[in-house]
Formats: sequence, C-alpha cells, structure tokens
Amino acid sequence: EPEVTQTPSHQVTQMGQEVILRCVPISNHLYFYWYRQILGQKVEFLVSFYNNEISEKSEIFDDQFSVERPDGSNFTLKIRSTKLEDSAMYFCASTYQGARYGYTFGSGTRLTVV
Amino acid sequence: SQQGEEDPQALSIQEGENATMNCSYKTSINNLQWYRQNSGRGLVHLILIRSNEREKHSGRLRVTLDTSKKSSSLLITASRAADTASYFCATDEVGGGGNKLTFGTGTQLKVEL
Repeated sequence: EPEVTQTPSHQVTQMGQEVILRCVPISNHLYFYWYRQILGQKVEFLVSFYNNEISEKSEIFDDQFSVERPDGSNFTLKIRSTKLEDSAMYFCASTYQGARYGYTFGSGTRLTVV
Repeated sequence: SQQGEEDPQALSIQEGENATMNCSYKTSINNLQWYRQNSGRGLVHLILIRSNEREKHSGRLRVTLDTSKKSSSLLITASRAADTASYFCATDEVGGGGNKLTFGTGTQLKVEL
C-alpha cells in the first residue's frame, strides 16, 4: 500500500536554529498538509498546499514557517528560527481530493528544541 | 470551546468486549473521519462518514453520525489487544474549503487480555 514517508524520524535542534522537515507524499496525490501534535495534546492543522501554493494556513503557521515542493516528489516544512514551544510531533499528510476523502499520514518527525 | 470533543477520554476493556467512543462537534460538516494512533506513531485513517449518511460499517468498525445532535460514535466490536491505541475524530467543516481537518481530543483505548 502506498505510504507517505517522513524524514528524519527524530530531530534535535538548538533554539534559534533552522530545521527542515521532509516528506514524500503519495505520488498521485494532489493535496498536501502539515499538522503537528504537542505531546499529550490534539493534532493541530498547520498548512495545506495545492497546485504549488498554500491554500490555507492556521494562526500557528506564522512567518517562521514555510513550505515548499521543490520537485515533483518532496514536500518540506521549514522552521526558520526554532523556539522551545515548537517541540512537537510533525505529521505530513496527502490526499487525492482534499478533505472530502481520508488522509494518508506519514509516521511523523519528532522535533525536540533544546 | 473545541470543535471535536471525545468521550470518554480513556477507556479500558477486556479483549472480546465492544468499545464505544463518542465525538461531538460544533459546526456544520461535510464529513467526519475517524483515525487511530498507536503510541508515538502516525495517524491511520479508519473510516469516513459523509453528512448525508447515518451509519457506516467497515469490518469490526461501525460509525454513526447524528447531524442534528452534532455527534458521532465509533463502535469497535470484539476488541483485540492490537486495538489498543488512541482514536480521534476529525471533521471537514462546511465553508472550510476542503483544505483541512479539525481533530478532536481523542479517546485512549486499552484492551486487556
């Protein structure tokens, strides 16, 4: 069964450093998403991406965050200057036709900011 | 108040018993989805029910949706130890552009041998 692949599985970074989280969505999917889950809390929407542009973003997704689809397969989330409160599990997801259908999520990247 | 609130927050049952989890939401929706999350892992899509559907089955899963009460339930029949996980409802809200899901708080299910 097709999978969404995320790398790395765990990243530790110092406060103020830039991090890039990588995702390879399912090849024929058209909609891409980033969500995050702070330990013990709800899964929160960050951003959706379609047709090479952001279609929606949450209040969490401020100027420190950016997304890119640099080639036909990768989808990245960049955090420019990490803060302690950015520590969370970050999930990438993709769908063929948006939220009208079930998402396929990756296994996540656990980001720890120290 | 939150879009998706689930109860109970935690549920512990014996293998073979049925497990029922409930989800309430506040806005009009296009569909409601249920996901499972094993500890420290990603979310796995279980089942999707559209706003014009009242009940849906998939294997040992049964989902109901009551749009008048803005609530849904997930029933897992004949539970197994492998069903131990957190279960989340997620809604695709009307007017949301189909761009995101809003997740509930989750129910932690423990199935004991």
